Amino acid sequence: GESVGLHLPTLSVQEGDNSIINCAYSNSASDYFIWYKQESGKGPQFIIDIRSNMDKRQGQRVTVLLNKTVKHLSLQIAATQPGDSAVYFCAENKDAGNMLTFGGGTRLMVKP
Amino acid sequence: DAGVIQSPRHEVTEMGQEVTLRCKPISGHDYLFWYRQTMMRGLELLIYFNNNVPIDDSGMPEDRFSAKMPNASFSTLKIQPSEPRDSAVYFCASSFLGQGFGELFFGEGSRLTVL
Repeated sequence: GESVGLHLPTLSVQEGDNSIINCAYSNSASDYFIWYKQESGKGPQFIIDIRSNMDKRQGQRVTVLLNKTVKHLSLQIAATQPGDSAVYFCAENKDAGNMLTFGGGTRLMVKP
Repeated sequence: DAGVIQSPRHEVTEMGQEVTLRCKPISGHDYLFWYRQTMMRGLELLIYFNNNVPIDDSGMPEDRFSAKMPNASFSTLKIQPSEPRDSAVYFCASSFLGQGFGELFFGEGSRLTVL
């Protein structure tokens, strides 16, 4: 979950396909994880969260999977739409504290 | 509720000038966070408050940065003197953690350009 720097990883998908965005988090003591979506010129917006006592959580068109063994988090978006184009960040509360630490982000581009 | 409100949305200033960014959190939220976003470093937590009290300011880059929360509905982030490397988007976020960790609600950000 370290910041990537200048070049965001980019995922390009066709409209209607499913998207999977991955995130490796860093702290095994983290017990809360969130996915945020950030559109150009806007602040990050909450998508879905999951606590460490779960390994899967579903929302509307989105599913978050948590694999604590390998410290891996993924966001699945079903039937991706052009409005899903944005940068997606995973975040964890390191050491089970009150602060969220954000990963570097992945840019999702949806082709019509 | 109008959400987290930040001002100004854009600020262009010259090196050495004082910059003050403002934030109004969502009413009833007990935590307030200031983040900075740059291409190089992504989203970095600068400082956060709980019930108006600064809890952790270890992310504040230098003494040139200071933050205050005089009451539950207002916070400021001040940079004095500003430098070109302070150019970034500064986000304020608030949350209610009364029942355990919850989502952060972000403002639209203040884009700062220091010439």
